[in-house]
Amino acid sequence: EVQLVESGGGLVQPGGSLRLSCTASGFMIRSNYMSWVRQAPGKGLEWVSIIYSDGSTFYADSVSARFDISRDISKNTVYLQMSDLRPEDTGLYFCAREVHAFFGMDVWGQGTTVTVS
Amino acid sequence: DIQMTQSPSSLSASVGDRVTITCRASQLIRDDVAWYQQKPGKAPKRLIYAATRLTSAAPSTFSASSSGTEFTLTISSLQPEDFATYYCLQHQSHPYTFGQGTRLEIK
Repeated sequence: EVQLVESGGGLVQPGGSLRLSCTASGFMIRSNYMSWVRQAPGKGLEWVSIIYSDGSTFYADSVSARFDISRDISKNTVYLQMSDLRPEDTGLYFCAREVHAFFGMDVWGQGTTVTVS
Repeated sequence: DIQMTQSPSSLSASVGDRVTITCRASQLIRDDVAWYQQKPGKAPKRLIYAATRLTSAAPSTFSASSSGTEFTLTISSLQPEDFATYYCLQHQSHPYTFGQGTRLEIK
């Protein structure tokens, strides 16, 4: 079964750091594009970052220079290292798979909650 | 950045109604647009990809179209399970951007 499981969320003080993990099963992350998407409480979806199959990365302006996306192919896991966290970073963080640009993000995890307070 | 302006932000309708949700892109984009349904506390579910192609998860009452910078999601006959929030997404260029969402409520 194709599945994504996020972990690592929690409560952190402003200025603190946190590392989220997204472990994939049923497919290899190295062949796919992997994104992080977040949702503040009661708000809409916001794309955060992506790591492509070639290892290139992109970020939303709101998190660039503070967040870092990476992957460990041997563990089939994608990470989001978050630093200098702000209250506005609070929310539910999802990871999602994109097989190819044509298909969009097709598989999503259940999310992990980050609270900055 | 490409902005996706989604309307309406909320919609009240009855079972059996036909509803349409629209996203307008701030510039011409290819058909790298997807539509998602989200229910409270759950992950988004992809319904449409490549602007007009239905996924296997989407009921046949759903359809989508595109014309220039306008992308449309239509539900031909609302079912109770369709009441949720819907988002469009452009994934042609970075940053990827979602529409603001349309909350579809039961009248």
